[in-house]
Amino acid sequence: QQQVKQSPQSLIVQKGGISIINCAYENTAFDYFPWYQQFPGKGPALLIAIRPDVSEKKEGRFTISFNKSAKQFSLHIMDSQPGDSATYFCAASHDYKLSFGAGTTVTVRA
Amino acid sequence: EPEVTQTPSHQVTQMGQEVILRCVPISNHLYFYWYRQILGQKVEFLVSFYNNEISEKSEIFDDQFSVERPDGSNFTLKIRSTKLEDSAMYFCASSEKGIYGYTFGSGTRLTVV
Repeated sequence: QQQVKQSPQSLIVQKGGISIINCAYENTAFDYFPWYQQFPGKGPALLIAIRPDVSEKKEGRFTISFNKSAKQFSLHIMDSQPGDSATYFCAASHDYKLSFGAGTTVTVRA
Repeated sequence: EPEVTQTPSHQVTQMGQEVILRCVPISNHLYFYWYRQILGQKVEFLVSFYNNEISEKSEIFDDQFSVERPDGSNFTLKIRSTKLEDSAMYFCASSEKGIYGYTFGSGTRLTVV
């Protein structure tokens, strides 16, 4: 059972553009929704997270939008930079374990 | 910045052999986890460990797998008899407050031949 669905699988954006990654979940017991950034050969690193009682959270160039009724959440990367090129995973948690989406490989072209 | 340290970074083993993957969590963290990522696929939960016992495990974590905290610093994952399909990147993670503030290590790439 795929508990967290993530799209697109990959995207290419020009420097300065906006990257948008979408996730949908099924389990209404999920109570914490983090996004992780992963560079090749490294472990996932927490980027930003949101709880379901908040509809939006912004940290620098990264924004999470959360729609509880639709069971969807998304990551927006504003003013994308070449250093943002990485794989991004959404995740959802319940009972201290994370269920990850399949990941989105973002390539920022200079 | 504190980090989770995993060793070795890459392990090659023969099918049927036992392997032990080692992790040193962040010193004041109380919750410990193992995840795996098969090449090109998503990260999957294996097991969580708190207060010296397993708190939750996934379907993947069958009798071939075990975890241990042999001393005050190390956290290990043992695979008793490796199979080809165990080839993956294994990530250790730790946190101070359960789900919040997970920190992942850089992983151990396990290759079973």
